[in-house]
Amino acid sequence: KNQVEQSPQSLIILEGKNCTLQCNYTVSPFSNLRWYKQDTGRGPVSLTIMTFSENTKSNGRYTATLDADTKQSSLHITASQLSDSASYICVASSGGSYIPTFGRGTSLIVHP
Amino acid sequence: DTEVTQTPKHLVMGMTNKKSLKCEQHMGHRAMYWYKQKAKKPPELMFVYSYEKLSINESVPSRFSPECPNSSLLNLHLHALQPEDSALYLCASSNSGSRETQYFGPGTRLLVL
Repeated sequence: KNQVEQSPQSLIILEGKNCTLQCNYTVSPFSNLRWYKQDTGRGPVSLTIMTFSENTKSNGRYTATLDADTKQSSLHITASQLSDSASYICVASSGGSYIPTFGRGTSLIVHP
Repeated sequence: DTEVTQTPKHLVMGMTNKKSLKCEQHMGHRAMYWYKQKAKKPPELMFVYSYEKLSINESVPSRFSPECPNSSLLNLHLHALQPEDSALYLCASSNSGSRETQYFGPGTRLLVL
């Protein structure tokens, strides 16, 4: 059964600090892994997408890593801003399937 | 244009009403999706259209009826809904295939009374 597990479930940090969110996935055959940011009551916005051959991808202050051997991914946020407060969702897809597997998300709160 | 638009933003309906949610994209994507999302939960896939044909129905009750009039539009017709159907309904699109990023719309917040 395909599964995506994220940790921590929630995280509170001070503005300007860095943080790292974790994602473990069991998806076979693996195709790609994406990180989305979702503000409350809004649709998810794509941050990064990585295939098995990529191990790092950056998008501004967001850097995602992928270890296809251990089936782990992380999302690192540098110099956090208040606007980073949101839910961060890890999504893994298997080859040839339209049905992605969503993690439950990490709720990030950035305090001033 | 990398935008997926959805209307209405909010919808309140009674259990006997008939309403429709609309989704539009002009990115030339050939796959379009409907998701349902409850508070503090990940989106749940409902339907997938590929090249304007329904390719996946995730055992969704018949009170939800999707329609794809053309490659840019996706509708979700609602009839005789239950209060537990209240949720955020998200539309997404992608180039065909699972390797492509799905672009999500802002969602329609639905409340069934």
